[in-house]
Amino acid sequence: EIVLTQSPATLSLSPGERATLSCGASQSVSSSYLAWYQQKPGLAPRLLIYDASSRATGIPDRFSGSGSGTDFTLTISRLEPEDFAVYYCQQYGSSPYTFGQGTKLEIK
Amino acid sequence: QLQLQESGPGLVKPSETLSLTCTVSGGSISSSSYYWGWIRQPPGKGLEWIGSIYYSGSTYYNPSLKSRVTISVDTSKNQFSLKLSSVTAADTAVYYCASMVTWYFDLWGRGTLVTVSS
Repeated sequence: EIVLTQSPATLSLSPGERATLSCGASQSVSSSYLAWYQQKPGLAPRLLIYDASSRATGIPDRFSGSGSGTDFTLTISRLEPEDFAVYYCQQYGSSPYTFGQGTKLEIK
Repeated sequence: QLQLQESGPGLVKPSETLSLTCTVSGGSISSSSYYWGWIRQPPGKGLEWIGSIYYSGSTYYNPSLKSRVTISVDTSKNQFSLKLSSVTAADTAVYYCASMVTWYFDLWGRGTLVTVSS
């Protein structure tokens, strides 16, 4: 089973700043099959990024994903107030499909 | 616009079987474009993939739950279902159904909280 470790656990930033969230895998994720999700309190997760760097439909271009192998990054170029939430990465290169423990992005 | 909605009891007794249904609207569950999955999230914790199904009935389960999980599909009702047997308090969670493209979750239901308690 591939274990995903997200860092930092909590990130405190201000609107307008740049956010960089990391996701490390215990073994290489095949074909860069990695997704990112955003979850706000009381709501279901929402797909942001798939295949490591492809934005899902309707996702603003301030969200970008990069990486391959065991190291992946989600970048939010300029934080908007609605971006403060918990972010999860998920690998789907090998079963069982696993999620990271999440990074909470909070307002500083 | 594809939509998914979970339904089922919100309270299940220990040792009994949790049963949930996901109703798909705005599209056909028999679409070759999608798999259909279940994910759960214990209160205040992270996400865990439970298992998935294709409209043909092919199933894929998380080994950690495989012995207790059954996922089935009813194409006539545009629904797929989850059964989790021998539940304990550790199975208390919000259960989500979702559509899957390859093996990521592109659209989620709103989720339903299932509490295991006597």
